[in-house]
Amino acid sequence: DAKTTQPTSMDCAEGRAANLPCNHSTISGNEYVYWYRQIHSQGPQYIIHGLKNNETNEMASLIITEDRKSSTLILPHATLRDTAVYYCIVRVAVDSNYQLIWGAGTKLIIKP
Amino acid sequence: NAGVTQTPKFRVLKTGQSMTLLCAQDMNHEYMYWYRQDPGMGLRLIHYSVGEGTTAKGEVPDGYNVSRLKKQNFLLGLESAAPSQTSVYFCASSYLGGEAFFGQGTRLTVV
Repeated sequence: DAKTTQPTSMDCAEGRAANLPCNHSTISGNEYVYWYRQIHSQGPQYIIHGLKNNETNEMASLIITEDRKSSTLILPHATLRDTAVYYCIVRVAVDSNYQLIWGAGTKLIIKP
Repeated sequence: NAGVTQTPKFRVLKTGQSMTLLCAQDMNHEYMYWYRQDPGMGLRLIHYSVGEGTTAKGEVPDGYNVSRLKKQNFLLGLESAAPSQTSVYFCASSYLGGEAFFGQGTRLTVV
């Protein structure tokens, strides 16, 4: 079962920051949080990941709460091309190997 | 640099037929994965491999078999297709379980 909970859908105006929340209250201390997105049923695309510190790259920022029970993905200036399903995922260790456990994601719609 | 390539992109099978899906990656990644995605849902792990010659079961392995004879290839087989296996299949690869790179998917319909 997925270890994350996300809103089913969200809207955001073009040019605004899109803030996507994720709850992962049962995350273990060594489990990373990953974010991917999927546009039009294409193959998922990696966005960012983190353990406990906030992270930023050219696509987005990831803010993880101090207790690690939740995180927020921030797209600073959303464009129409950012319309996609965004998945918040916990990477778990199974028999010393790593697996990504996927939930249903958040459908983000960017409106003009 | 092609990344992850899946073959074929589309396929229609009759119930009981068999087929093999091919995944090839050119990034020298150790880990490879096969997922299925049903409408409105996230990805579910079928099988995965952590290196050449190794395979392991994921969340939904029944009805599928896999092989990793070469590091760059990961094959997914359906021995006797069922309508419940109608889905979109994604292959992915990663370096030691980190950032995963995905193929564009295979849309399989079993009638």
